[in-house]
Amino acid sequence: DAGVIQSPRHEVTEMGQEVTLRCKPISGHNSLFWYRQTMMRGLELLIYFNNNVPIDDSGMPEDRFSAKMPNASFSTLKIQPSEPRDSAVYFCASSPPGPWDTEAFFGQGTRLTVV
Amino acid sequence: LAKTTQPISMDSYEGQEVNITCSHNNIATNDYITWYQQFPSQGPRFIIQGYKTKVTNEVASLFIPADRKSSTLSLPRVSLSDTAVYYCLSTGSASKIIFGSGTRLSIRP
Repeated sequence: DAGVIQSPRHEVTEMGQEVTLRCKPISGHNSLFWYRQTMMRGLELLIYFNNNVPIDDSGMPEDRFSAKMPNASFSTLKIQPSEPRDSAVYFCASSPPGPWDTEAFFGQGTRLTVV
Repeated sequence: LAKTTQPISMDSYEGQEVNITCSHNNIATNDYITWYQQFPSQGPRFIIQGYKTKVTNEVASLFIPADRKSSTLSLPRVSLSDTAVYYCLSTGSASKIIFGSGTRLSIRP
């Protein structure tokens, strides 16, 4: 398996534009996580899905952020409108089914710069 | 979710054994202790996980005492390539994987 695949790897956009980040989890994994990482705030969990259903979105910073998982092999994180403070590295991760052990596999991340 | 506390940074030298301790005083009965490693410009990578006593794999060892209020990640004979941030997590059936601030480990020649 190629691992968790994120696209694009880098995104530079102007303030006010819509940004869509994409993620393909590892086949067979049933949990998917979106994280944001900055120097100031570290690695923050934004939202996670289980079996394509959003379970906890309490980490989504504001209504400008939305995430979807239309099927088991694809998820998107959208920011509309984007702002400079959204600049960060966004990671997607997936984990396999299991009762207690939670090994998450991370993608390479998308480095977002909003100017 | 149980909160974990670990040192902000540590320094060591090549060839030394490094032990990073993590406190989790309020760990739940069903929670595991999981450690991740993150290199610059990469996502975190799972290193090791345990519930009690000692777990060893090709990368590290994890020691968890009987009371489970703390754990120690042991990296044998570190090299420059072990310079990274190491995260200690308490993970359980809630499936919510929360990262703390981590320990920034710097290895010197």
